[in-house]
This record gives sequence, structure tokens and C-alpha cells, in this order.
Amino acid sequence: GAVVSQHPSWVICKSGTSVKIECRSLDFQATTMFWYRQFPKQSLMLMATSNEGSKATYEQGVEKDKFLINHASLTLSTLTVTSAHPEDSSFYICSARDVWNQPQHFGDGTRLSIL
Amino acid sequence: AQSVTQLDSQVPVFEEAPVELRCNYSSSVSVYLFWYVQYPNQGLQLLLKYLSGSTLVKGINGFEAEFNKSQTSFHLRKPSVHISDTAEYFCAVSAPTGTASKLTFGTGTRLQVTL
Repeated sequence: GAVVSQHPSWVICKSGTSVKIECRSLDFQATTMFWYRQFPKQSLMLMATSNEGSKATYEQGVEKDKFLINHASLTLSTLTVTSAHPEDSSFYICSARDVWNQPQHFGDGTRLSIL
Repeated sequence: AQSVTQLDSQVPVFEEAPVELRCNYSSSVSVYLFWYVQYPNQGLQLLLKYLSGSTLVKGINGFEAEFNKSQTSFHLRKPSVHISDTAEYFCAVSAPTGTASKLTFGTGTRLQVTL
């Protein structure tokens, strides 16, 4: 149980385009979803926290207009990287949680490469 | 605020040998503690968690960890490692403060198992 599916797993696109990443909880209702960014050989950096039906809460230094997060249902959250540039290239990972005192369950991540 | 320190960035070990990955945390409030494993180009998988109760926690794949409040530690152990245990291991902490509780990760420990 507690499976989180993230799609796509790998995307390559040209600079200036927008990219949407989906995060779905397959067998539970995710009241809270998290989006992380991970640079090579580094730890996970929390970008934002989203609760279903509410606006996402962004961490300090994360551009809200650059990284659009939508959590419209209890099983789906999306991260859209708008007007992506090479410096946005990274590994993006989502996680989901049903109850506040339970562990987060992670997706398999999305490798984003901007040319 | 919480913080996590994983002192060892890399731990080389021979197959079938025991291993300990160290984790120390800092927090002004009680915490929940987690160990996650990350295989290359994948998300994080929960190994084990400490929420309350017994300080010795058993997880998947033969791993266990012991919560030591006086030493603010949560070291991960396995009595006999396998080649397939080669991966990045992350210790994480969260404060039980309701829906806003977030994970704070350590910088990770690379476990390299060789023959």
C-alpha cells in the first residue's frame, strides 16, 4: 500500500518551455503533498507544501511564479515549471501523506533536463 | 526548528559485515524520526520510523534503529549487509505539530557494499 506515482520519470525540453509533472497517490487520499528538488549527490530540498484545495505554501527562496503547484484533488498534485531554463534542470521528487502524523510516501522522481 | 546531522558522507563495507550509519538530530521539541533509502534515479523508500514507544525500531530489509533521547541520536544498523544494500540513506526528522509538520533531511550517507 501507500503507492505514489510520479510522471514523467524523465523529460528533456528546450529552454523557455513549460513542463508539468504529475504526482498521484494510487491507494490512499493525500491530504498533504510535498515537492522537493534534489541536486546531484545532495539531499532533498523542500520546495513547497500543498494541502488539497488550498494554495501551496512555498519555502523561502522558491519562486511561486516559476514553480506553479496545484493540488486540486486528494489524489493528484501537479508541479509546473514555467519558462524553464537550464538552471532549472534537476531531479524533482514529490511525496504524499494522508494523516499528519504518518510518514510521507515518495514518488520515483522526475529527471528534468533543460537544453 | 529541527536539524539533522549525518556525519558520514560515505561508508564502505564488505558484504556480510555489520554496518552502522550515524544520525544525530537537534530539536527543541519532541520529534518523529525516519530513515529513508534512495536507489539511483529513484525516489525515497521508507526503511523505518520512530513515532513513540519502544526505542528499538525494526524496519524493512533487516535494518533497525535505536532512538536515544539523551544522545539525540537515531543510528541505523544492519548485522549483515548485502550488495543490494548499496544506496544513499537519509535520516529525517519532523516535529509532531499537525498538518504543517515537514521533514528535515540530513545530507545523506552513501553505503557502498563490496565483495
